[in-house]
Amino acid sequence: KQEVTQIPAALSVPEGENLVLNCSFTDSAIYNLQWFRQDPGKGLTSLLLIQSSQREQTSGRLNASLDKSSGRSTLYIAASQPGDSATYLCAVSGNQFYFGTGTSLTVIP
Amino acid sequence: KAGVTQTPRYLIKTRGQQVTLSCSPISGHRSVSWYQQTPGQGLQFLFEYFSETQRNKGNFPGRFSGRQFSNSRSEMNVSTLELGDSALYLCASSLTSGAGGDTQYFGPGTRLTVL
Repeated sequence: KQEVTQIPAALSVPEGENLVLNCSFTDSAIYNLQWFRQDPGKGLTSLLLIQSSQREQTSGRLNASLDKSSGRSTLYIAASQPGDSATYLCAVSGNQFYFGTGTSLTVIP
Repeated sequence: KAGVTQTPRYLIKTRGQQVTLSCSPISGHRSVSWYQQTPGQGLQFLFEYFSETQRNKGNFPGRFSGRQFSNSRSEMNVSTLELGDSALYLCASSLTSGAGGDTQYFGPGTRLTVL
């Protein structure tokens, strides 16, 4: 069974700092990997989708990489802002979606 | 284009009752997936429907069931509610089968409380 782990579980950084969130998965037979953010009590917002054949995707201040062979993905957030405070989840898709437990990010003004 | 909508947003039920949740996908999307989110277990996949057929199913008891209509709207039913069913239930829609490679778009969720 696919297991998805996210480290760290929580992260607090001052505004303006660059940061990296990590996601690892045990089964490399995936179709894609998707990063989401979730604000308290709300649904998930898709940030980036990386197909299994791709190495990275970029959107604005966000860059996600995928190393399928090692079972790892990273989400890089440049010049963090207080509005980036949220829980970040990664999900891998095989025959279903498997979610990590998330990283709770707090950006301090 | 309207996003994924879920109704109701909040529900309070008592043990033993049953509940039906509804999800309307983004127009044109044919896949709807359901998830349960709890503080202890995180986000867990319940099932996915595509073109009115269940495509995949997670590891949940038979009390959890669903269906999809010809307009792609989906309902999820939970019978004989237990305290542990208290959770945020999220649905997500995608153009094609969600697990196959499309971006999933999530609704705001239905918060179910079982007393």
